[in-house]
Order: sequence, then structure tokens, then C-alpha cells
Amino acid sequence: RKEVEQDPGPFNVPEGATVAFNCTYSNSASQSFFWYRQDCRKEPKLLMSVYSSGNEDGRFTAQLNRASQYISLLIRDSKLSDSATYLCVVPFYNTDKLIFGTGTRLQVFP
Amino acid sequence: EAGVTQFPSHSVIEKGQTVTLRCDPISGHDNLYWYRRVMGKEIKFLLHFVKESKQDESGMPNNRFLAERTGGTYSTLKVQPAELEDSGVYFCASSQGLTSGNNEQFFGPGTRLTVL
Repeated sequence: RKEVEQDPGPFNVPEGATVAFNCTYSNSASQSFFWYRQDCRKEPKLLMSVYSSGNEDGRFTAQLNRASQYISLLIRDSKLSDSATYLCVVPFYNTDKLIFGTGTRLQVFP
Repeated sequence: EAGVTQFPSHSVIEKGQTVTLRCDPISGHDNLYWYRRVMGKEIKFLLHFVKESKQDESGMPNNRFLAERTGGTYSTLKVQPAELEDSGVYFCASSQGLTSGNNEQFFGPGTRLTVL
């Protein structure tokens, strides 16, 4: 089993839609989690950190379910500019070594 | 404030040649990391420097890869001799460190390496 697993997509949604991505992780001892955003041929950039049950930042909501070992990212009112790959990232045993999922590709169309 | 910079942005070399990638972290960041993404796979950790010391090099694929950070500023990653499977995008990242209360890793734009 991979340490971090994501559905690669692509998710094709119209503007204004709500879309959710899930990510599962294998290490039950993990304490912190991240969602990074990566545009085509660009570097990953931190979108949100998830330390407890979850957090919200504008149109973005991240939730953590420790019992089932998954993290979700919800995007409300999708914009064209949200089109990107969303990477689920879990530090290895709470070290600085980041373990990346393969990413979920989102395409928002007009 | 300047972000993480990497040089070159692209490199095309032949199998057996040597390539050296450079990373300049954000000024003041003690932590420097190398990651790579090979075609169709996820981004994978290679190693972590704290200042000039290697903190964790568990992700280095083999002894053809040599990373250095003399003086604790910029870092180089040398591949010698390069093999076809080394092709991919090599990302560098830097962070202030846990003691600063902010350990977010900021990534550079990457070096796209193609080995023919």
C-alpha cells in the first residue's frame, strides 16, 4: 500500500461547482498534513495545512478523519483559476521528509 | 523577498555524462531539501540539509548522486554518470526550521533533466 494515495482524476467541473478530493495515508501516527497546489510545469505551493480535525480558508475547506486515515479538500464556487493539480502531502513520521501523493488534477471549465 | 531559485531550468545530456544542479534557498533558511519527480510518478524526497550538514539522505537513489552544501548557503546536486532513469524534474525546497515556528517548505521552480 502506498503511503499517500489520491485519485489522479481528472475532475472536470463547471465554474461555480463544488468539488471534493480525498486522500488516504498509511501511517496512523501522522500528526500533520498538507494540501499543495501545483500548476502545470510549476513548483508545488502550500495551499493549506491540516493539524486537527480540519480548517477553512475562504472557499477551501480541509478535513481530517484520523479514524479512517483520510484527508479531504473541498473547493466551493470553483473558479477557472482553480484548475491545477492538488497534492496531498504527509510528513514521514513527523519529520521534515514530505511524502507526496501523485496528485489529483482539477480542470474547471466555463 | 526572493524565493528559492534553481539553475539550470532545463538540462539535456547524454547517458554517461555528468550534470550539476544548483539550488539557492531563501535567505536565512537553514533547511534545504532536494526532491525529484520522474515521469508519471509522485514527487519523492531525496535529502535534507540543516545548514551544511546532511540531516537525512535516505531518499538518495544510489552513489551516482552527490549533494553538497558547503558553507550552508547554496546547494549542488551532481549526477555522475547520468542514466536514462535519472530523467525527471528535480525540485529544491527550503524552510526556516521548526524552532522558528514555521517549517513550511518553499519550493523552487525545478530543473527539468533529460538524459538521452
